[in-house]
Amino acid sequence: QITLKESGPTLVKPTQTLTLTCTFSGFSLSTGGVGVGWIRQPPGKALEWLALIYWDDDKRYNPSLKSRLTITKDTSKNQVVLTMTNMDLVDTATYYCAHWNAMTTEDYWGQGTLVTVSS
Amino acid sequence: DIQMTQSPSTLSASLGDRVTITCRASQSINSWLAWYQQKPGKAPKLLIYKASSLESGVPSRFSGSGSGTEFTLTISSLQPDDFATYYCQQYDTYRTFGQGTKVEIK
Repeated sequence: QITLKESGPTLVKPTQTLTLTCTFSGFSLSTGGVGVGWIRQPPGKALEWLALIYWDDDKRYNPSLKSRLTITKDTSKNQVVLTMTNMDLVDTATYYCAHWNAMTTEDYWGQGTLVTVSS
Repeated sequence: DIQMTQSPSTLSASLGDRVTITCRASQSINSWLAWYQQKPGKAPKLLIYKASSLESGVPSRFSGSGSGTEFTLTISSLQPDDFATYYCQQYDTYRTFGQGTKVEIK
């Protein structure tokens, strides 16, 4: 059974760096054809894809946010970490991590974590 | 960047109705399209991948079609559990989501 859970601060100040951790079980990020991605959703708005890391450590970023994002994995801990620099009020959103597999796409999602940016 | 445009933004329908949602891509994405269902306060749920493949466990009343730039999600007979917001997602180049279609009770 695949499960994912996001963790991190619920409140950050403008200009600060956000660090979110996705802790997962039921799969290994060392297995071929597997990845973990991050997606966010501002309150009442649509989903926005952020980043994806593959089993071979290849990484993809949303071009609009690439300069602010870093995604890394710790295979031994079954964790993926996303950092986003220079947080702004408009970055207030629920942040989700999701399991990706080459046969489908993002198929299993975490419950999400709400991050509020406020001074 | 590939833009995804869904229509309509809101859809009012009754139980048993046949419902169709359209998603258009700003350039060809072949069949690299997924459909998700999202309920308030919950994570999205994958319904369809590769434009027309039904995810395991998803009821057969859901179906997807299309290729290139135009795609549709069809619910053949709307059930109470289907009132939700639906998103399309392209995964040909990076990923982009549509703006969502809210299916409401008429």
